[in-house]
Amino acid sequence: QKEVEQNSGPLSVPEGAIASLNCTYSDRGSQSFFWYRQYSGKSPELIMFIYSNGDKEDGRFTAQLNKASQYVSLLIRDSQPSDSATYLCAVNRNKAAGNKLTFGGGTRVLVKP
Amino acid sequence: NAGVTQTPKFQVLKTGQSMTLQCAQDMNHNSMYWYRQDPGMGLRLIYYSASEGTTDKGEVPNGYNVSRLNKREFSLRLESAAPSQTSVYFCASPAGGILKNTEAFFGQGTRLTVV
Repeated sequence: QKEVEQNSGPLSVPEGAIASLNCTYSDRGSQSFFWYRQYSGKSPELIMFIYSNGDKEDGRFTAQLNKASQYVSLLIRDSQPSDSATYLCAVNRNKAAGNKLTFGGGTRVLVKP
Repeated sequence: NAGVTQTPKFQVLKTGQSMTLQCAQDMNHNSMYWYRQDPGMGLRLIYYSASEGTTDKGEVPNGYNVSRLNKREFSLRLESAAPSQTSVYFCASPAGGILKNTEAFFGQGTRLTVV
């Protein structure tokens, strides 16, 4: 079992719709969770981070964390063509694992005008 | 506002050659990481350094060595390059303390091809 798993996609959504991305993780002791966006040929850039169970909203983005079920999700509202990118879920594992920042394989999102 | 500077941007090596990828950060962060990214594989951790003077293996350390020269610099060395090491390499440096990383700042990446 991979430590952090994501559906590779592509996730195709029409412009203006909601894109829903999911991520599951295996280490129950994981403490912090991140969503990065990566455009083709570019470096990842941070969109959201979340530490506590529940929802966290920032503009058109909402991160949701459920530690009991070991999943974290990202919602993109009013999707725009500029949101077309690969979205990487990252998990900061616990101290016993050396606080390693571990990434999933990424979900490719395509927003169609 | 350099952040994380990574060199070189592109490199072609022949099988068996060696090279060192350089990374420097000017944000006074303690942690630094080296990742490789292959199609569909996300970012896989090669080595990381939680603080100056310490280094630890990540998920895919075989064929690589690292040096945390000082707080600013963290280099990755390929002693004898193999075609399987063809990849895009990213250096990253998270902000935050040892228990709770926050944003990780990435270098611009090195696209390495081993022929």
